[in-house]
Amino acid sequence: ETGVTQTPRHLVMGMTNKKSLKCEQHLGHNAMYWYKQSAKKPLELMFVYNFKEQTENNSVPSRFSPECPNSSHLFLHLHTLQPEDSALYLCASSQPGTASEAFFGQGTRLTVV
Amino acid sequence: AQKITQTQPGMFVQEKEAVTLDCTYDTSDPSYGLFWYKQPSSGEMIFLIYQGSYDQQNATEGRYSLNFQKARKSANLVISASQLGDSAMYFCAMRLNNAGNMLTFGGGTRLMVKP
Repeated sequence: ETGVTQTPRHLVMGMTNKKSLKCEQHLGHNAMYWYKQSAKKPLELMFVYNFKEQTENNSVPSRFSPECPNSSHLFLHLHTLQPEDSALYLCASSQPGTASEAFFGQGTRLTVV
Repeated sequence: AQKITQTQPGMFVQEKEAVTLDCTYDTSDPSYGLFWYKQPSSGEMIFLIYQGSYDQQNATEGRYSLNFQKARKSANLVISASQLGDSAMYFCAMRLNNAGNMLTFGGGTRLMVKP
């Protein structure tokens, strides 16, 4: 257990569905991230939140919508996804301004059918 | 922009032997941190070791050590006395200390430990 919890662990959704991924950390960190990990590709940073403010949107399509209601929770809202969006979605947190590592959740394995 | 390169898509090592996983990076920023993560089949990214760009000594954490060669911009991970449980994907990552907290990852190396 790293202190970062993601739910659900697995998700299968149709292209017309709307679903949300949830990430929760109680490490006292003030930065949270969404990464996408597709087969045979490096981890891609999607979004960064520092102190609940979005500071990075790495050219992510609008069918992915992040939400950070407080420093402990991060959501990724999904709608009208495409099959190529199938991937492992990893959440991470860290403490800004320090040399400390980022802690990752176990990820949500998303399959779009 | 920073870039991380891991040139070994897959590696085999005999149990109890040592293995070196390669990582090179590219940045013009003088202040950065280098990280290694392990990703078993369960998916979680597990932090292994950290090296700061101004650290004078190579980082060590138990069976893990980082061979940091700043002039060559390499940060290879050395795993000593490999165990079957070391079989996993290994990722090298870099963070620029003056450009937010984002980690940039390499493509990973799959390590397979043979009994």
